[in-house]
Amino acid sequence: DGGITQSPKYLFRKEGQNVTLSCEQNLNHDAMYWYRQDPGQGLRLIYYSQIVNDFQKGDIAEGYSVSREKKESFPLTVTSAQKNPTAFYLCASNLAGTGVPGELFFGEGSRLTVL
Amino acid sequence: AQTVTQSQPEMSVQEAETVTLSCTYDTSESNYYLFWYKQPPSRQMILVIRQEAYKQQNATENRFSVNFQKAAKSFSLKISDSQLGDTAMYFCAFMKHEGIQGAQKLVFGQGTRLTINP
Repeated sequence: DGGITQSPKYLFRKEGQNVTLSCEQNLNHDAMYWYRQDPGQGLRLIYYSQIVNDFQKGDIAEGYSVSREKKESFPLTVTSAQKNPTAFYLCASNLAGTGVPGELFFGEGSRLTVL
Repeated sequence: AQTVTQSQPEMSVQEAETVTLSCTYDTSESNYYLFWYKQPPSRQMILVIRQEAYKQQNATENRFSVNFQKAAKSFSLKISDSQLGDTAMYFCAFMKHEGIQGAQKLVFGQGTRLTINP
């Protein structure tokens, strides 16, 4: 079955540590996205990528980094510079320029808790 | 910059009732898309319904329909004959029309938690 897989589902981190969240898709989608979800704030865009080896900052990129070495993979690193990293992180993908406009396909999310 | 506002943090109705979720947005764009996404307790979000701003006819998908008021910048979602499986967080979202050519950056509202009671 095609879809988006995020791992781990739950992650605990000590302050000062970097952590990497995995996102893999087998939908052959060109574009991939990382969103952060906080209660009462909805989803906010962290980074996005339209093609391999290219990515752009979203609205809240500070303290985060990404890479796009393969079409299927778009890992997100939450660095120690992120001041408030405890949140629910969602990865999404879609066929950029084709398909249903605005139809993003989401993973099940990763919940990061900083202790 | 575009903003999307959902003023109802939580709603609760009985099964089989009709419920309407509100959404307002702010933009200077003339052509754009609006969406409602559903996030069930399992957390995987899915697209429920989509509206193109230049289309006057309100979108409908089975029990889900929208009331799109462009001048008022309002985009509400109506769920008819609600079912237990409709229990979820619902997000309203906006996208510029130019976004369809590249990465499609959506701006989301804060969400409304809807509970359908048996």
